[in-house]
Amino acid sequence: DIQMTQSPSSLSASVGDRVTITCRASQGINNNLNWYQQKPGKVPKLLIYAASTLQSGVPSRFSGSGSGTDFTLTISSLQPEDVATYYCQRFNSAPPLTFGGGTKVEIK
Amino acid sequence: QVQLVQSESELKKPGASVKVSCKASGYTFTSYGMSWVRQAPGQGLEWMGWINTNTGNPTYAQGFTGRFVFSLDTSVATAYLQISSLKAEDTAVYYCARVGILGLDYWGQGTLVTVSS
Repeated sequence: DIQMTQSPSSLSASVGDRVTITCRASQGINNNLNWYQQKPGKVPKLLIYAASTLQSGVPSRFSGSGSGTDFTLTISSLQPEDVATYYCQRFNSAPPLTFGGGTKVEIK
Repeated sequence: QVQLVQSESELKKPGASVKVSCKASGYTFTSYGMSWVRQAPGQGLEWMGWINTNTGNPTYAQGFTGRFVFSLDTSVATAYLQISSLKAEDTAVYYCARVGILGLDYWGQGTLVTVSS
């Protein structure tokens, strides 16, 4: 099975900072990569699909990039409401739809 | 609007069984698959598998075969997760999530299953 590895596992940054989270697939997955945001005590929410397309309603400070094995989620200017754990997930028609281990983002 | 409403929290003893329900509304139930995701306390998301709501065919991820069963009642637009022979390590929040074309686009509110003697 394809493994999804996220880094870092946690980070602390100041409001306004640029934040980058990395997700690496153990094999090439084209652009079949989604990002989810889970705020503390809340249900996960689809943030970005197909590696770089923002789900409706997601602020433009979020962006995604990558293809093949290496992907990034970037928050261009971190806001207090972005405190959450972010998960990548391989997503296509062939299971398993493996999640990465998650990256916890906190405000410094 | 699309909604997935899950059953309430459960407290079970080791060795017992539990059945979690996920009632869908706001869309044609059989047009989208349903995934199940587990989140143990303080841990990340684990994809358990999914069920094709059109055919009823389930697919289970590694580690979720044998004691875990996905089922449907399409007449009431509801998906079910049954776990048998419960163990302490099954204590977790279980989410259902609609399998959209491009992602798990709608999620239930989660059901906490606690296994304790």
